[in-house]
Amino acid sequence: AQKVTQAQTEISVVEKEDVTLDCVYETRDTTYYLFWYKQPPSGELVFLIRRNSFDEQNEISGRYSWNFQKSTSSFNFTITASQVVDSAVYFCALSEEGYGNKLVFGAGTILRVKS
Amino acid sequence: DGGITQSPKYLFRKEGQNVTLSCEQNLNHDAMYWYRQDPGQGLRLIYYSQIVNDFQKGDIAEGYSVSREKKESFPLTVTSAQKNPTAFYLCASSSAVYSNQPQHFGDGTRLSIL
Repeated sequence: AQKVTQAQTEISVVEKEDVTLDCVYETRDTTYYLFWYKQPPSGELVFLIRRNSFDEQNEISGRYSWNFQKSTSSFNFTITASQVVDSAVYFCALSEEGYGNKLVFGAGTILRVKS
Repeated sequence: DGGITQSPKYLFRKEGQNVTLSCEQNLNHDAMYWYRQDPGQGLRLIYYSQIVNDFQKGDIAEGYSVSREKKESFPLTVTSAQKNPTAFYLCASSSAVYSNQPQHFGDGTRLSIL
């Protein structure tokens, strides 16, 4: 069965600090996809990144970076030099190959960035 | 602008009443989804549809119903059988039926019991 665990319920940091959000997943499939979404106070989920199980390269996009490690079934998300606008709930999600494109979400991590 | 529109933003339900949440997309996406979000539990899949006139149950379909008569529309009805309907409901769509396409979300509808 698929499962996504985000063990950090809430993280508070001061602006300009770096912060890492953890994501651990479980799946029996060899082909799967991992996602990160951001949910600002307005409510909609904003897509940040998609990773497939065959691509373990780390990715950097501006202040955001992602570390995918199959050996530990983790897909962690780091924000460098955090800003107040980064305050949101962040969700990690997993989908397995095949018809349906069904996402299984973690419980989310609330990130509060204080000025 | 292309996107997903959910309405209303806030909805109140009386005991024994059915209510319908609207979801419309103009992204020309084939697949549409409904999720329920409760505090501390992430999002859980209620129903999904890959093509018009076809839909499948997700993990928590009991007490809900859907229809998919048009590609751009996927309304969700919360029936009186759903005993704990208070939650935030999110609609999503994606461009293809397979797992590598990200889902795009609407702004959500917050449903409460009167």
